[in-house]
Amino acid sequence: GAGVSQSPSNKVTEKGKDVELRCDPISGHTALYWYRQSLGQGLEFLIYFQGNSAPDKSGLPSDRFSAERTGGSVSTLTIQRTQQEDSAVYLCASSPGQGSQSGGYTFGSGTRLTVV
Amino acid sequence: AQSVTQLDSHVSVSEGTPVLLRCNYSSSYSPSLFWYVQHPNKGLQLLLKYTSAATLVKGINGFEAEFKKSETSFHLTKPSAHMSDAAEYFCVVSDLYSGNTPLVFGKGTRLSVIA
Repeated sequence: GAGVSQSPSNKVTEKGKDVELRCDPISGHTALYWYRQSLGQGLEFLIYFQGNSAPDKSGLPSDRFSAERTGGSVSTLTIQRTQQEDSAVYLCASSPGQGSQSGGYTFGSGTRLTVV
Repeated sequence: AQSVTQLDSHVSVSEGTPVLLRCNYSSSYSPSLFWYVQHPNKGLQLLLKYTSAATLVKGINGFEAEFKKSETSFHLTKPSAHMSDAAEYFCVVSDLYSGNTPLVFGKGTRLSVIA
């Protein structure tokens, strides 16, 4: 597609349930990033995929968070046993792999997760 | 480690007056610097970027920013605010030479434009 697509756009879940958030990057983009944006905060880096390399998971806040990227394209962020503090907007971005020199990060519109 | 500090969480200006959104950065290496804008319920949009070329960078919608290494600053300016400029603005830093290093975001500045 023309842009980065995320689904669902909104998700309300009960505390303790698992959720899956999906990101469809721009076709041909080799790098994919997940960020979390909490109310009144900047974007917090979660995880980054580059081609077939092992992902950089250094930003994941706990072992309840995991992500995978199948076939170098679609990515799924999974949060297990959700907690209220997981409520946030989860943003996905992709880039063509030229890194910060290109500034070519394109962000999706995000998934707003509410844990009740 | 890289970081950015946006000095104001909220800036309010009158339509037609200048805009100044302040940003200071910290980077061990040659930084790439960006400003992104986020309108309500919209995705993040790149306004402009600095990647070691000209220190005065022009972006979209009349915005520009100047990289000042001596002051470690990358302030965003616009000569005349428009109502449509009301949004959240993020200053962002990355390491220029480390490939796909994840972007590091500031906490954002909310710009309000008063008619």
